[in-house]
Amino acid sequence: NAGVTQTPKFQVLKTGQSMTLQCAQDMNHEYMSWYRQDPGMGLRLIHYSVGAGITDQGEVPNGYNVSRSTTEDFPLRLLSAAPSQTSVYFCASSLLARGGNEQFFGPGTRLTVL
Amino acid sequence: GQQLNQSPQSMFIQEGEDVSMNCTSSSIFNTWLWYKQDPGEGPVLLIALYKAGELTSNGRLTAQFGITRKDSFLNISASIPSDVGIYFCAGRQYNNNDMRFGAGTRLTVKP
Repeated sequence: NAGVTQTPKFQVLKTGQSMTLQCAQDMNHEYMSWYRQDPGMGLRLIHYSVGAGITDQGEVPNGYNVSRSTTEDFPLRLLSAAPSQTSVYFCASSLLARGGNEQFFGPGTRLTVL
Repeated sequence: GQQLNQSPQSMFIQEGEDVSMNCTSSSIFNTWLWYKQDPGEGPVLLIALYKAGELTSNGRLTAQFGITRKDSFLNISASIPSDVGIYFCAGRQYNNNDMRFGAGTRLTVKP
């Protein structure tokens, strides 16, 4: 099992550009989520999904879109990047039977918006 | 949303010493989890707690789910250099898919 994979590892964008951060898992987990990590603030939930076709907002959803067309993939879209979105982004997955707990995290995408 | 207050923010200890860190909230949580993050990596789950009062060990690590359900602590015994990293608590409230994380405790172990 590859676990949770994320691409790209690093990205630099200009203000106003759009991009998609990719996340995939091969563990057949129903629950997937996206977090951002900023210095001194821990991880904050952006969006999550409890299964294909179902998504919901987390604590900091503004400026981000998600979709879940398959169990394996959960891409995060930035429609118009802003410097405030400079952060490290983590994707995670877990079994829904565990209530979405015991999440497995990907290695992260380091995004800089100039 | 409900915030988790994690302390201390950082710790500098000597190899072999024991470590204790905790997480508190003004709200009740149904699940408490502890993660460790190494530099440049994603967090890795250490211990999951599901019942108030539960005490769970994972090697040299011991975590407890507070009896009030508003706090949890993590102990590391006989620290070693590879314990270096950032430790995060996380909690989930009943019927809530939103998991909250503490700001982390950065642990440095001097050989």
